[in-house]
Amino acid sequence: KQEVTQIPAALSVPEGENLVLNCSFTDSAIYNLQWFRQDPGKGLTSLLLIQSSQREQTSGRLNASLDKSSGRSTLYIAASQPGDSATYLCAVWNSNYQLIWGAGTKLIIKP
Amino acid sequence: ETGVTQSPTHLIKTRGQQVTLRCSSQSGHNTVSWYQQALGQGPQFIFQYYREEENGRGNFPPRFSGLQFPNYSSELNVNALELDDSALYLCASSIRAGGKDEQFFGPGTRLTVL
Repeated sequence: KQEVTQIPAALSVPEGENLVLNCSFTDSAIYNLQWFRQDPGKGLTSLLLIQSSQREQTSGRLNASLDKSSGRSTLYIAASQPGDSATYLCAVWNSNYQLIWGAGTKLIIKP
Repeated sequence: ETGVTQSPTHLIKTRGQQVTLRCSSQSGHNTVSWYQQALGQGPQFIFQYYREEENGRGNFPPRFSGLQFPNYSSELNVNALELDDSALYLCASSIRAGGKDEQFFGPGTRLTVL
């Protein structure tokens, strides 16, 4: 059974710092991996999707990497801003097109 | 703006009642998935519909049921509501074309069961 873990559960950093969020999964036979952002009381915004054949994806200040063999993905945020404050969730796709989720990392960027 | 809408935004029910939540997918998306997100947790997969047929189910009891319609809309029905059903319910639509298959989420329906 696939399990997804995100560490840390919460993170608070000063504005301007670069930071890394971690996601690990127990079964390396994943289809894709997707990172999402969720603002309080809101739905989910897709940030980056990495297909199983890819090693990383970049969008603006965000870079996500995927290492299937070790069961790990990281989300790198460069030059953090207060507007980046949110909960970040990673989810892995299984072969049935179903998403299995981590519990998220709550990120606070202090001005 | 993903083009996926859900209604209602908020809903309050009492234990034992039944509820229907609705989702309107992006045009052309043949797959819809429903998720339950309890406070402070990641979403849990409820079930998925592909071309109007159930195509996978998570660890949820039969009182959770769904429908997908040809007009890209879908429903999640929950019977005999329990207090633990209080959560944010999210639907996501995608087009199963192989490869990327990105899921696009609606804003969710927050259900409170008293």
